[in-house]
Amino acid sequence: QVQLVQSAAELRKPGASVTVSCKTFGYTFANYGVSWVRQAPGQGLQWLGWISGYNGNTNYAQKLKGRITVTRDTSTRTVHLELRSLTSDDTAIYYCARDQGVAAPLRYWGQGTLVTVSS
Amino acid sequence: DIQMTQSPSTLSASVGDRVTITCRASQSVDYWLAWYQQPPGEAPRVLIYNASTLESGVPSRFSGRRSGTEFTLTISSVQPDDVATYYCQQYSTYFAYTFGQGTKLEIK
Repeated sequence: QVQLVQSAAELRKPGASVTVSCKTFGYTFANYGVSWVRQAPGQGLQWLGWISGYNGNTNYAQKLKGRITVTRDTSTRTVHLELRSLTSDDTAIYYCARDQGVAAPLRYWGQGTLVTVSS
Repeated sequence: DIQMTQSPSTLSASVGDRVTITCRASQSVDYWLAWYQQPPGEAPRVLIYNASTLESGVPSRFSGRRSGTEFTLTISSVQPDDVATYYCQQYSTYFAYTFGQGTKLEIK
């Protein structure tokens, strides 16, 4: 069955970068894209960016452009999120989620990765 | 960017009550809207997609409606398992999603 398994929690200092990984199982990787969504403590869901499993095309939330990069490794079926110049506002649970094609919701979610930014 | 305005932010209901959550889009998203349920400490899951289609396995007490740019999620008879935060999400823009602010449902 479809599964998305994320990397372990991370602790970073302000100004640093972090990479969170999402390994996928149970479907044809090239057929679907993966989004990243985060949730700050006690806050709502914020979509961050998307990558195509087919050709690696990306789309990013305007607020994060310049600080975010999403990449994929087709050989390991893994998607990576890199976030740079971290501040305390980036402290959140980061989720990866697989789409179901164009104009479809995010049906399959990873378990979440806590990223803490603290000096 | 399309903005999604969701209300109320919190909802307190008794078991068996009928409750409704509203989500308004800042421009047309056609019927490309989903509702998610996020229990405490868990990842979100899809309840409704395409504004009114019930996801497989979701209880029939959940329903969705669309009227122009206004969308509603209704729980016909609230159950204890429904304690969660509910989010709307538009997916009309090409792989660029927007979520509402969320509605926390509590049981009285």
